[in-house]
Amino acid sequence: AQSVTQLDSQVPVFEEAPVELRCNYSSSVSVYLFWYVQYPNQGLQLLLKYLSGSTLVKGINGFEAEFNKSQTSFHLRKPSVHISDTAEYFCAVITSSGGYNKLIFGAGTRLAVHP
Amino acid sequence: GAVVSQHPSWVICKSGTSVKIECRSLDFQATTMFWYRQFPKQSLMLMATSNEGSKATYEQGVEKDKFLINHASLTLSTLTVTSAHPEDSSFYICSARGSAGYEQYFGPGTRLTVT
Repeated sequence: AQSVTQLDSQVPVFEEAPVELRCNYSSSVSVYLFWYVQYPNQGLQLLLKYLSGSTLVKGINGFEAEFNKSQTSFHLRKPSVHISDTAEYFCAVITSSGGYNKLIFGAGTRLAVHP
Repeated sequence: GAVVSQHPSWVICKSGTSVKIECRSLDFQATTMFWYRQFPKQSLMLMATSNEGSKATYEQGVEKDKFLINHASLTLSTLTVTSAHPEDSSFYICSARGSAGYEQYFGPGTRLTVT
C-alpha cells in the first residue's frame, strides 16, 4: 500500500518569506498525490493535486508543488507567505486496497507564519 | 460545486448514549463516502469506506458494531456512534467522491464530546 511521509511536524516562518513543506511518498507505478490545508476546527480544503502530466502543479492561494519521481517527493512551496497561511497542511496519496481507492494522509505539518 | 455538508457541527452527549452524524453531498452524487477521525494535533485516520447501497468496509481496528455507517442514498451517509464513551470524543470528518475521478470533497467536520 502507498504511504506518505511529512518530515516536518512544524515549520515556523516569517511573513513574506518563502516556505517549503516536504512530502515523500512510497514508490509505485501509478501515484496520485494531493495537498490539503486545514484551518482550526474546519474540514480540509484541496490546495492542489497531481494525477498526471506536468510535474509542476499550481494550486490555490499561490501554492505550487513539484512531483519528482526520482526522489519520490511532492514538496509544497510558496514564494511569499502571509499570516493567513497559518494552518495545518496534509500531504495525501491514493492507495488501492481491497478493491477500493482510498486517500491516505501524512502526519501533517503545522505552518506558523510570524509577523 | 462539489460541496459536502455535515450535521451537526458539534455535539455533546452523555456517556452510554448514541449519536448520529450526517454527511451530505449537496450538488453531486457521491457513489463513495469516507469517514475519518482526527484527534487533536494529529492526522486524519480513515475509519471506513462506504458505497451507496452496500455495507461499509471498515479499516483494521475500527469497531463496526460501535461505529455504524449507513449509505442509503447517493447524497447521504450517516455515522452513528453507539454507546459513546469519553474516549470516542474526537473530530469526525466525512468526504465524498463521485463516480469518476479520484478527488474527494470534505465536509467541515463534527466535533463530538462525550461527557
